[in-house]
Amino acid sequence: DQQVKQNSPSLSVQEGRISILNCDYTNSMFDYFLWYKKYPAEGPTFLISISSIKDKNEDGRFTVFLNKSAKHLSLHIVPSQPGDSAVYFCAAQDTYSGGGADGLTFGKGTHLIIQP
Amino acid sequence: NAGVTQTPKFRILKIGQSMTLQCTQDMNHNYMYWYRQDPGMGLKLIYYSVGAGITDKGEVPNGYNVSRSTTEDFPLRLELAAPSQTSVYFCASSLPPRENEKLFFGSGTQLSVL
Repeated sequence: DQQVKQNSPSLSVQEGRISILNCDYTNSMFDYFLWYKKYPAEGPTFLISISSIKDKNEDGRFTVFLNKSAKHLSLHIVPSQPGDSAVYFCAAQDTYSGGGADGLTFGKGTHLIIQP
Repeated sequence: NAGVTQTPKFRILKIGQSMTLQCTQDMNHNYMYWYRQDPGMGLKLIYYSVGAGITDKGEVPNGYNVSRSTTEDFPLRLELAAPSQTSVYFCASSLPPRENEKLFFGSGTQLSVL
């Protein structure tokens, strides 16, 4: 039972355009959401997060949108750059029920390819 | 600034062999985690620890053991390796989740069991 779903295994976007990566979740107890970026042969690195009390969080070229009623979040990258080519993982956490100590629930990832 | 350090980076084991994956962090984080990532899949939690002397099972603990004798170190032990344990293993650490949920990951250990 996949609680965090990233239905697009890969996405190809032209340099300079907007990249939109999507993520859906099923557990209504999730209240904190994160995006991680992963390059080959490296560990995931934190990119941006959003609490369930917000519907948008922005950090430079990266914006995450949260639609709680639809249980959907998306990551927007504008403008897309070659260095953005990586695998992006959506992750979610229930920080209250379990205290969040048992870590994050991850999606399968979306491989973003930025074409010149 | 080292962060989370994992060793080895690569390892090939024969079926039935044992090994320990090492993980150390220098950020004084109480919370540490072991994840595995299979091809085309997300990261699945194996074990986690909320502090020295305290460990607990995650989603996929079978075939693994952990210990946490110090704040810095969180080794993962594989006993009687099986082909199903072929995966990339990531160690991570964090502050208490309600203060800062961000996990810091090591660079991973790629393990093949043949």
